[in-house]
Amino acid sequence: GAVVSQHPSRVICKSGTSVKIECRSLDFQATTMFWYRQFPKQSLMLMATSNEGSKATYEQGVEKDKFLINHASLTLSTLTVTSAHPEDSSFYICSARTGTGETEAFFGQGTRLTVV
Amino acid sequence: GQNIDQPTEMTATEGAIVQINCTYQTSGFNGLFWYQQHAGEAPTFLSYNVLDGLEEKGRFSSFLSRSKGYSYLLLKELQMKDSASYLCAVMDSNYQLIWGAGTKLIIKP
Repeated sequence: GAVVSQHPSRVICKSGTSVKIECRSLDFQATTMFWYRQFPKQSLMLMATSNEGSKATYEQGVEKDKFLINHASLTLSTLTVTSAHPEDSSFYICSARTGTGETEAFFGQGTRLTVV
Repeated sequence: GQNIDQPTEMTATEGAIVQINCTYQTSGFNGLFWYQQHAGEAPTFLSYNVLDGLEEKGRFSSFLSRSKGYSYLLLKELQMKDSASYLCAVMDSNYQLIWGAGTKLIIKP
């Protein structure tokens, strides 16, 4: 299957700082990328959907000014957690599809963010 | 509203068979997925059903009944490495994935 690389896998940052997470599709062009957040023992919560070259569509309750998403190319999307706080500590996962209606979503490895 | 239901946790014995059920109510249907997720890792794809019936892939099989809004994942010859969470997800009419909360499967020797 297609490969999606997410970096970093783990990050610890101080409260008030910003953290950038990268999601790259290595062997295909991802027209659509999704960012999820997962709390312990819970399912994936969709944060936003981003299409290459356009603004991300955020789910209700997700602060767009806090979680900045950039999808500048067909192989790279970034999620920046700005002014991070301990409650932002979570597991963040990206996934990518090659187009609308594509069956399988390919996932990155996930990023464990800990804000201290 | 949209809803995906699956049991929170199941326990089974190594070498046995286990069936994980999933029921759904969504706005439109463009397929149902099963993913496996080990703790601290991203989900990995197991199966995709869009037509009624059983899809078999090695030790894993997935069944779908669209009229009943029901699917199950069948795992045979259970191995200790199968201990994980199993996520059911439905693709709705907007091609968005709606996720269930996952079923934690515990395998005992």
